[in-house]
Amino acid sequence: DTEVTQTPKHLVMGMTNKKSLKCEQHMGHRAMYWYKQKAKKPPELMFVYSYEKLSINESVPSRFSPECPNSSLLNLHLHALQPEDSALYLCASSQELTSTYNEQFFGPGTRLTVL
Amino acid sequence: GQNIDQPTEMTATEGAIVQINCTYQTSGFNGLFWYQQHAGEAPTFLSYNVLDGLEEKGRFSSFLSRSKGYSYLLLKELQMKDSASYLCAVVDSNYQLIWGAGTKLIIKP
Repeated sequence: DTEVTQTPKHLVMGMTNKKSLKCEQHMGHRAMYWYKQKAKKPPELMFVYSYEKLSINESVPSRFSPECPNSSLLNLHLHALQPEDSALYLCASSQELTSTYNEQFFGPGTRLTVL
Repeated sequence: GQNIDQPTEMTATEGAIVQINCTYQTSGFNGLFWYQQHAGEAPTFLSYNVLDGLEEKGRFSSFLSRSKGYSYLLLKELQMKDSASYLCAVVDSNYQLIWGAGTKLIIKP
């Protein structure tokens, strides 16, 4: 299984809603990532988990809250988002965080629209 | 600072060859990836270079010169499905991927 899955595929939410994005991989990867991608821009790193511990938080606003319940799952909890948070949210995984060959496998993404 | 440069957009003809260049200045170097991304979809891995030289994989090849901070992706026998964005990403000294802005490749019949 060389797949990263993400749910939901699309999400529309109001600014007062609370929702969660989910990501799952069964490749035994120990590093997992959340990226945000706006149209015609490269992926922008948000968070990195290594061995289920938060390793990197790229100064992301607290309205985004990551969680790694176990080595296969990664969640992103959303609360009080702004319209400018509308984007494609990508989850990725790789074997290890500190590895020279660190191919990241991406999930299909969640297209988020904040009204 | 860290900087990766790629052309914003390129156009090529079906059946032809196209070369997409990438130059980088990063804090350390632990390899360079090329990813393909179709609009609205996730990036997919194309190639990885860590040593100087050419890596060939079917219709796609990638070249690296570490001394020049330069890489290119060569696509041969272009097909309409190759229309996509091509992202160059460098692994820096902290093992983080530093992404270029991507090159949008348009293939014309």
